[in-house]
Amino acid sequence: EAEVAQSPRYKITEKSQAVAFWCDPISGHATLYWYRQILGQGPELLVQFQDESVVDDSQLPKDRFSAERLKGVDSTLKIQPAELGDSAMYLCASSLDQPGTYNSPLHFGNGTRLTVT
Amino acid sequence: EDKVVQSPLSLVVHEGDTVTLNCSYEVTNFRSLLWYKQEKKAPTFLFMLTSSGIEKKSGRLSSILDKKELFSILNITATQTGDSAVYLCAVTGANSKLTFGKGITLSVRP
Repeated sequence: EAEVAQSPRYKITEKSQAVAFWCDPISGHATLYWYRQILGQGPELLVQFQDESVVDDSQLPKDRFSAERLKGVDSTLKIQPAELGDSAMYLCASSLDQPGTYNSPLHFGNGTRLTVT
Repeated sequence: EDKVVQSPLSLVVHEGDTVTLNCSYEVTNFRSLLWYKQEKKAPTFLFMLTSSGIEKKSGRLSSILDKKELFSILNITATQTGDSAVYLCAVTGANSKLTFGKGITLSVRP
């Protein structure tokens, strides 16, 4: 079964450093999502792409976070500078649907666990 | 703002027990409600419910949606230790935005 690929699996960084995460969605999935999950909480949406365009980034802390999906396939999420409170699991997900025509579930990657020291 | 509340937050049962996990929601332009199971890594999809009153079933797991009362339940019968996980409920509203609850931690003891 096709999977959403994410790397790295784990990342430890010092505060004020830059960090980047990569995601390759399931082939043919036009919609890509980045979620952040703090321990004990449900995932929270950071940014949603439809192909290469951002559909929703209202919860993305834009002073330090950026995301891109230049060719509408794989995506990168960057944090600069990292803060202690950014320690969390960063999950990428993809789905077949376009916004407004939601018919299929999100499929998640295994995530990147970030620890900021 | 869309909101999903799950209860209880955690639950401990013994193998063979039946459990019911609850999810209530408030969402603008409701489209669907989803249940996911999360062990130590990515959430894995269980069910998607779009119509009220229709039961989705897969083996020992089943779920039903009540759109009038704005809630869903996930039922697990004859629980096994492998059912131990966090169960996440999420709803989709406008623009396909998926909003998750905090999850229910289920522990099944032998």
